[in-house]
Amino acid sequence: AQKITQTQPGMFVQEKEAVTLDCTYDTSDQSYGLFWYKQPSSGEMIFLIYQGSYDEQNATEGRYSLNFQKARKSANLVISASQLGDSAMYFCAATPNGGSQGNLIFGKGTKLSVKP
Amino acid sequence: DAGVTQSPTHLIKTRGQQVTLRCSPISGHKSVSWYQQVLGQGPQFIFQYYEKEERGRGNFPDRFSARQFPNYSSELNVNALLLGDSALYLCASSLAWSRNTDTQYFGPGTRLTVL
Repeated sequence: AQKITQTQPGMFVQEKEAVTLDCTYDTSDQSYGLFWYKQPSSGEMIFLIYQGSYDEQNATEGRYSLNFQKARKSANLVISASQLGDSAMYFCAATPNGGSQGNLIFGKGTKLSVKP
Repeated sequence: DAGVTQSPTHLIKTRGQQVTLRCSPISGHKSVSWYQQVLGQGPQFIFQYYEKEERGRGNFPDRFSARQFPNYSSELNVNALLLGDSALYLCASSLAWSRNTDTQYFGPGTRLTVL
């Protein structure tokens, strides 16, 4: 079954520095999607970035980029120039084996704290 | 444009009671999914509905049920509440059902506390 592993329960980063949040996945599908979401203390899950398994280039959205290494089954999130407002939980998610996109499998999350 | 909305924001119930949570998707979105997020964990998939039909179900007991209305809004019902049902319930909407590229957009959630 699809499984998402986020090995960093918590991370600290200095404001204006870059940070990488790790994510590995375990899928038997050829076609799948990978997502990153941000969850502030308010609880709402905010979509950050998407990577399709057939996309040849790494996805980028503003200060967010996804370091996609298909052979290693990793999809790390890179946040450049961290801001205080980036402090939140970050979840990696993927479409399940053989399932629809509506059924996302989430990792346990990484709590990012940005220090001034 | 309005995002996904959920009501109520917070809810306190006692064991054995029943609860109904509501969700309105983004305009134009036809798929609604429900997730349960227990404190300290990532969200877990409960149901997906598309065009008023159930398209997927997670590993949850039959006490959990849902439906989707003609206007694509949705309700999640939980019967015979247990203490372990205390969680943040998230609703997400997307344009369609089966495409990997359709991003799910989440609502603010309903925080359910069972005493």
